[in-house]
Amino acid sequence: QQQVKQSPQSLIVQKGGIPIINCAYENTAFDYFPWYQQFPGKGPALLIAIRPDVSEKKEGRFTISFNKSAKQFSLHIMDSQPGDSATYFCAAARNDMRFGAGTRLTVKP
Amino acid sequence: NAGVTQTPKFHILKIGQSMTLQCTQDMNHNYMYWYRQDPGMGLKLIYYSVGAGITDKGEVPNGYNVSRSTTEDFPLRLELAAPSQTSVYFCASSWDRGLAEAFFGQGTRLTVV
Repeated sequence: QQQVKQSPQSLIVQKGGIPIINCAYENTAFDYFPWYQQFPGKGPALLIAIRPDVSEKKEGRFTISFNKSAKQFSLHIMDSQPGDSATYFCAAARNDMRFGAGTRLTVKP
Repeated sequence: NAGVTQTPKFHILKIGQSMTLQCTQDMNHNYMYWYRQDPGMGLKLIYYSVGAGITDKGEVPNGYNVSRSTTEDFPLRLELAAPSQTSVYFCASSWDRGLAEAFFGQGTRLTVV
């Protein structure tokens, strides 16, 4: 039973586009929602994270939108670049961290 | 600063054999985790530890064992390896319970044949 559902599985955008990745969770006890970025052959690395007391957080070109009532959150990448091509994982945490299935993003030049 | 170090990076194991995946961190983190990553399935939590001497099961613990005798080390033991355990294994650590950045190792790609 997937505690964190992520979509889409894959995404292709042109350079400068704004890819959006969505996640939904069931357990209302989760209180920390990070996004991780993973390049091939590497471990995931933290990109940006949010707590449920705010509805939006921006760090550079990356923005998390959080809807507590709908139990959904999403990642937006502004002005996407080919170097952003990677797999992105959302996660939800309380005592441990549960991950979504991942989205493989390709940004075409 | 090495961060989280996993060994080996690659390994081929025969069905029924056992092995230990090593993980060590030098950040003095109390929390450590083992995940497995399968294509299209994200990362599944196998076991985690909140400090030396304390471990707990995650989502998919069957076929695995862990120990945490020191803050730095969190080895994962596979007993009687099965093809279903073919996966990429990641160790991670954090300073707080799932509420802080988790630092991941480079992964161990394990094939059971």
